Amino acid sequence: EAGVAQSPRYKIIEKRQSVAFWCNPISGHATLYWYQQILGQGPKLLIQFQNNGVVDDSQLPKDRFSAERLKGVDSTLKIQPAKLEDSAVYLCASSSIRIHEQYFGPGTRLTVT
Amino acid sequence: AQSVTQLDSQVPVFEEAPVELRCNYSSSVSVYLFWYVQYPNQGLQLLLKYLSGSTLVKGINGFEAEFNKSQTSFHLRKPSVHISDTAEYFCAVSGVLGKLTFGQGTILTVHP
Repeated sequence: EAGVAQSPRYKIIEKRQSVAFWCNPISGHATLYWYQQILGQGPKLLIQFQNNGVVDDSQLPKDRFSAERLKGVDSTLKIQPAKLEDSAVYLCASSSIRIHEQYFGPGTRLTVT
Repeated sequence: AQSVTQLDSQVPVFEEAPVELRCNYSSSVSVYLFWYVQYPNQGLQLLLKYLSGSTLVKGINGFEAEFNKSQTSFHLRKPSVHISDTAEYFCAVSGVLGKLTFGQGTILTVHP
């Protein structure tokens, strides 16, 4: 089966610009996660969706970050405006009803200059 | 709240030597424990997980881990490493909703 797809793989923007990342989970997976991985740290959960509803967004900086999962399939994560400290790899993961088996995409590496 | 501490940021070893990557966790409720591996410029791949049952868990690529509830540890071991095991390893804990809390990672470097 196809894995979790993410695009773009790399993105360089200037601070105060906006950026969007896209994720296509494994077919049939109801749960989708976005993680932020800053260099030298472990990934940190930003938001978790169950179908198209939000389960947990407690660590999402809502003044600049937004995410949506229309129709319960693909998801988009947006940052507007970006700050230097947003430079990180953004990982998307999905899971089926067996929520303890998360499958990760390759990530999008964002550099904010 | 849950937290994970990986006690070594870097572990260098020679090929065919045994290795142990240490992980301690903190949680006020029952936990599920995981080890993931990340190769350069790739996403995370699940090595093994402990959900319940036997405290000795076997995973892919010859890795195993032991859940020790009294010491709140979940150390990862391999009896003989290969060059291809060079990567970053993350220990993680989750609760019933599946949210993963990761440690800081341990970079394993296998030398010939």
